[in-house]
Amino acid sequence: EIVLTQSPATLSLSPGERATLSCRASQSVSSYLAWYQQKPGQAPRLLIYDVSNRATGIPARFSGSGSETDFTLTISSLEPEDFAVYYCQQRSDWPLTFGGGTKVEIK
Amino acid sequence: QVQLQESGPGLVKPSETLSLTCTVSGGSINDSYWSWIRQPPGKGLEWIGYIYYSGSDNYNPSLKSRVTIPLDTSKNQFSLKLTSVTAADTAVYYCASQNGVNYFDYWGQGTLVTVSS
Repeated sequence: EIVLTQSPATLSLSPGERATLSCRASQSVSSYLAWYQQKPGQAPRLLIYDVSNRATGIPARFSGSGSETDFTLTISSLEPEDFAVYYCQQRSDWPLTFGGGTKVEIK
Repeated sequence: QVQLQESGPGLVKPSETLSLTCTVSGGSINDSYWSWIRQPPGKGLEWIGYIYYSGSDNYNPSLKSRVTIPLDTSKNQFSLKLTSVTAADTAVYYCASQNGVNYFDYWGQGTLVTVSS
């Protein structure tokens, strides 16, 4: 199965700062990668699909980039509601797999 | 807007079968693929498997020998059956719609299932 490794595990930042999250795949997933946001006690929410496409209703401050094995989620200027855990997910091969998550916490 | 709601026992004994149901509202169960995903407390997400209205399905090999996902189109529901559970199956279980390109666009709120005697 394709293993997705996210880094860092925790990112401590202040509101207004830029967040850069990484997701690395154990083999190429082409452009078949998504990002989800999960807040405490809630289900994950789809943010970005196929590397760089924002899902419906997702603000423009969220952007994705990358290809093959290395991917990045960028939050250009953190809002208070953006402090959460972020997961990447690949759909290139079965089984569908998720990364271990990056927690973005308030510094 | 599609809404999903999980239901079922919150406590299951070891070696027994975990059974959950997901009710879909705001859309037809014929319109998507339907998945179960779980999340052990404090840990990451694991895809369990999906069912399609045609009857086609696909399961995570790590669970394939113990899991089925039945579909009831008349009730707009799908279920999860996980047999021979152990403490390692303790998790929040989510049902979700898996869109045509295998991302999860709608999720239930999740339900915690604890495996304990």
